[in-house]
Amino acid sequence: DGGITQSPKYLFRKEGQNVTLSCEQNLNHDAMYWYRQDPGQGLRLIYYSQIVNDFQKGDIAEGYSVSREKKESFPLTVTSAQKNPTAFYLCASSIVPSNYGYTFGSGTRLTVV
Amino acid sequence: GDSVTQMEGPVTLSEEAFLTINCTYTATGYPSLFWYVQYPGEGLQLLLKATKADDKGSNKGFEATYRKETTSFHLEKGSVQVSDSAVYFCALINGNQFYFGTGTSLTVIP
Repeated sequence: DGGITQSPKYLFRKEGQNVTLSCEQNLNHDAMYWYRQDPGQGLRLIYYSQIVNDFQKGDIAEGYSVSREKKESFPLTVTSAQKNPTAFYLCASSIVPSNYGYTFGSGTRLTVV
Repeated sequence: GDSVTQMEGPVTLSEEAFLTINCTYTATGYPSLFWYVQYPGEGLQLLLKATKADDKGSNKGFEATYRKETTSFHLEKGSVQVSDSAVYFCALINGNQFYFGTGTSLTVIP
């Protein structure tokens, strides 16, 4: 079955450490996205990519970095510069143009300890 | 700019009650409209969509009609079940930009 896989489901990080969240899709979608969700809040866009080797900052890119070396993969690194990284992170993908909506992964819950 | 506004929750209903979650939007041009559902600890799943005015999206007993005249896309279900307890997000796509509402939490009690 085609879909998006995010791993791990739960991640714990010590303060001052960088951590990378994985997102892989086998839907042959050109575009991929990273969102952050805080408790009781909506979704905020971190980064997106519409083509390999190209990506754009979203609304809250500070303290995060991404790469898009392969169409299937769009990993997100949460750096030590991110002041409040504890959150639920969602990866999504879509065709371009994305009129048919996004397909979401099941999310990664990151907790800073 | 484009935006989506949905009713604030939380909403608590008894099983078999009628559900309405209001959603209105602001957009230029001709956006596509969506409802997504998020179960606890999970990602978002597409519930239904409508791509042009007067289209009705439907799935699993849920319905929403794209009303251009009132810029609305209200979600309805005639008889909710405990398993419908989740957070519901209204969203629109205009060009390649996706705009989400803040989500409405629904709890259905037996």
